[in-house]
Amino acid sequence: DAKTTQPNSMESNEEEPVHLPCNHSTISGTDYIHWYRQLPSQGPEYVIHGLTSNVNNRMASLAIAEDRKSSTLILHRATLRDAAVYYCILRPYNDYKLSFGAGTTVTVRA
Amino acid sequence: DAGITQSPRHKVTETGTPVTLRCHQTENHRYMYWYRQDPGHGLRLIHYSYGVKDTDKGEVSDGYSVSRSKTEDFLLTLESATSSQTSVYFCAISESTGGYTEAFFGQGTRLTVV
Repeated sequence: DAKTTQPNSMESNEEEPVHLPCNHSTISGTDYIHWYRQLPSQGPEYVIHGLTSNVNNRMASLAIAEDRKSSTLILHRATLRDAAVYYCILRPYNDYKLSFGAGTTVTVRA
Repeated sequence: DAGITQSPRHKVTETGTPVTLRCHQTENHRYMYWYRQDPGHGLRLIHYSYGVKDTDKGEVSDGYSVSRSKTEDFLLTLESATSSQTSVYFCAISESTGGYTEAFFGQGTRLTVV
């Protein structure tokens, strides 16, 4: 399985943007890039996913490098509620599995 | 929010007793999953189901069995609970296996085996 590499932790100030990097140098052409987050004492929550083009939704934006070997999750204005562990996951187009790594712990300072 | 309900939310049980956790969905999604989450190991897949009565093993399936008799319900059974099965268990659902679809998770069941 293709692997992802994320920083262990990041800090941000409230109402500032947060850019979460993810490296996936062994990504295959049919792997989708998924982001999930897990708030304290809750189950993982879907954030966004994409294949090749940048994606936006109400929660975040996903910027995918042209060679697809890295991506960045962008939280446009961090709130205290965004403090969570963020997981970058590669999901093949025909695979049932969703394999989680350690993720990035995001702390938001008021 | 996706309609996923896990029950019970918390359970304490004794070593050697059978335990069944239930995942109920109202989304009519075909695929359902059971994960466990432990410190230092992240989320690991136990079993999954790709339809009624169709199930398969994940990466940490030893000591667990599952059943799915209805689309909406996916049961996880610990045949004889051990302390190593103390964990937080999450159910997930997905409309498809494809990477182009997202998965939705329940709130978790915290199981303690004493």
